[in-house]
Amino acid sequence: DVKVTQSSRYLVKRTGEKVFLECVQDMDHENMFWYRQDPGLGLRLIYFSYDVKMKEKGDIPEGYSVSREKKERFSLILESASTNQTSMYLCASSRGGGGTYEQYFGPGTRLTVT
Amino acid sequence: KNQVEQSPQSLIILEGKNCTLQCNYTVSPFSNLRWYKQDTGRGPVSLTIMTFSENTKSNGRYTATLDADTKQSSLHITASQLSDSASYICVVSRQTGANNLFFGTGTRLTVIP
Repeated sequence: DVKVTQSSRYLVKRTGEKVFLECVQDMDHENMFWYRQDPGLGLRLIYFSYDVKMKEKGDIPEGYSVSREKKERFSLILESASTNQTSMYLCASSRGGGGTYEQYFGPGTRLTVT
Repeated sequence: KNQVEQSPQSLIILEGKNCTLQCNYTVSPFSNLRWYKQDTGRGPVSLTIMTFSENTKSNGRYTATLDADTKQSSLHITASQLSDSASYICVVSRQTGANNLFFGTGTRLTVIP
């Protein structure tokens, strides 16, 4: 049974703070993804990674960076949080890419930036 | 432009009734289409996946259909239960490109007793 865990369910940060969101998967999946989900906009891809130390920009990478030092862990970093980054952040992993393989999602982190 | 549109945005139905959710897409070249269910406060979970050659796929009370010619899909829920209250998200995959998943904005379903 695939399990994707995220470090926090709820997070409140102040504008300008550096924020780390961590994601861990336990199924040895190659691919990992970070999305944000906003009402009326659906899920939007921020960054994804096909392998350790590899990263690719998604549709909305501005203001974010990522780190994948180990296969099971994918971190999302907000260098200087802003109020427009208040959102639900979802991490996902999959065995392969191309949409052929199901993405398994974590429970999400609801981030509020004040 | 590759897009996925879902309708309706929200839906309220009585427990025990059936309902149908719609998904229209313009993604090309098409690879597959998934329906996900997202309970409040949780991540999405895959319900069904359909490729070009499949036009119906069932998962319990959930039945998805695909018309690849008109680029339309529907998710039919039979004999709804309170636990069906969730958002349902249509995701279409393109054959090419590294970033090749296109998400609809979802339909929020509420089942009331």
